[in-house]
Amino acid sequence: GEDVEQSLFLSVREGDSSVINCTYTDSSSTYLYWYKQEPGAGLQLLTYIFSNMDMKQDQRLTVLLNKKDKHLSLRIADTQTGDSAIYFCAEIAGGFKTIFGAGTRLFVKA
Amino acid sequence: ETGVTQTPRHLVMGMTNKKSLKCEQHLGHNAMYWYKQSAKKPLELMFVYSLEERVENNSVPSRFSPECPNSSHLFLHLHTLQPEDSALYLCASSLQAGGGNEQFFGPGTRLTVL
Repeated sequence: GEDVEQSLFLSVREGDSSVINCTYTDSSSTYLYWYKQEPGAGLQLLTYIFSNMDMKQDQRLTVLLNKKDKHLSLRIADTQTGDSAIYFCAEIAGGFKTIFGAGTRLFVKA
Repeated sequence: ETGVTQTPRHLVMGMTNKKSLKCEQHLGHNAMYWYKQSAKKPLELMFVYSLEERVENNSVPSRFSPECPNSSHLFLHLHTLQPEDSALYLCASSLQAGGGNEQFFGPGTRLTVL
């Protein structure tokens, strides 16, 4: 079945790197996404990666994709308190459906 | 300020009430979505509309009834809900429906069913 799994919680110190992991099930997914949700707000697209890529870097963000293991990760370098939010991994499951994980809540301690 | 607005932001209703959630997008998009976000559960896709036609109905109970009168507006009509329907209901839009199209989300309506 379709399933995207993430750990629910991550806590880091300000200035450290954060790594949020995700596993997905649909090997035919063409796009994989990371969305960010700040308190009281909807989800915002943070970054995405095409399935034919292994890595994508965008300023402090690095996305790594391991297609063999169906594993996606998001690394945030020099994590700031403003990065505290819930991070959702998502895959395109075919047709019009985007499947989201349950979200990883990132706590950044000053 | 996002281009997707939702009203009301908070709603408390009894199980016998009828209410509607409203979503409006100002982005010129052709696709709109309803999602349900419950605590510690994955975001659940409920409905997808493309050019005002429903293209996805993800096994949602009939007590939730969507309406898309035009490409800028999306409603979710609620009646005889259950307490387990309490959740954050998120609306989103994208230029086109389907993969590769970034979805822009509204802030959500926090629904509590008593």
